[in-house]
Amino acid sequence: AQSVTQPDIHITVSEGASLELRCNYSYGATPYLFWYVQSPGQGLQLLLKYFSGDTLVQGIKGFEAEFKRSQSSFNLRKPSVHWSDAAEYFCAVVPDSNYQLIWGAGTKLIIKP
Amino acid sequence: DGGITQSPKYLFRKEGQNVTLSCEQNLNHDAMYWYRQDPGQGLRLIYYSQIVNDFQKGDIAEGYSVSREKKESFPLTVTSAQKNPTAFYLCASSMPGTDTQYFGPGTRLTVL
Repeated sequence: AQSVTQPDIHITVSEGASLELRCNYSYGATPYLFWYVQSPGQGLQLLLKYFSGDTLVQGIKGFEAEFKRSQSSFNLRKPSVHWSDAAEYFCAVVPDSNYQLIWGAGTKLIIKP
Repeated sequence: DGGITQSPKYLFRKEGQNVTLSCEQNLNHDAMYWYRQDPGQGLRLIYYSQIVNDFQKGDIAEGYSVSREKKESFPLTVTSAQKNPTAFYLCASSMPGTDTQYFGPGTRLTVL
């Protein structure tokens, strides 16, 4: 079955440290790829997306993600996290042209002071 | 300001009652979606609509109903047939032919 995997349910990072959140998908073709962020009790905000072209994508709030076809991955990175980055992060994939998003289960980011 | 509004933010309902969640957008988007979010499960698609007067079932449509009489509005009714309705409900919209969805702030439904 088509799926999106975020292997880390929780990640704890010290403020100022670098961050990498993992996302893997199980599709043969190159899908459309997204990262969203959700603060507690809020809706989701789009951080960045990849459709084609340069495999390193820049997003809002200093985030970037790299598409690696050989690893079927689209990991999210930030060089230095801030306390305000504490939230839940969701990876999502559109595997084909029907425009339906397939969601990962999310990774909750905890920031240590 | 363009955006998506959902109301109410919190909703309580007794077992056996139907309840309707509101979703309105002024982004001029044709497509609208309803998702259910439970802890540790990501988002699951309930219903979606690509155009006015048309909608399709998502992965977990049982116990829910929708209507799309206006482009701006896509209300979701949680019926008494939904066995476990307590959850966070998110509405989203997008332009046709694009894959980027924009989300409302959500409604938290609790069945007492």
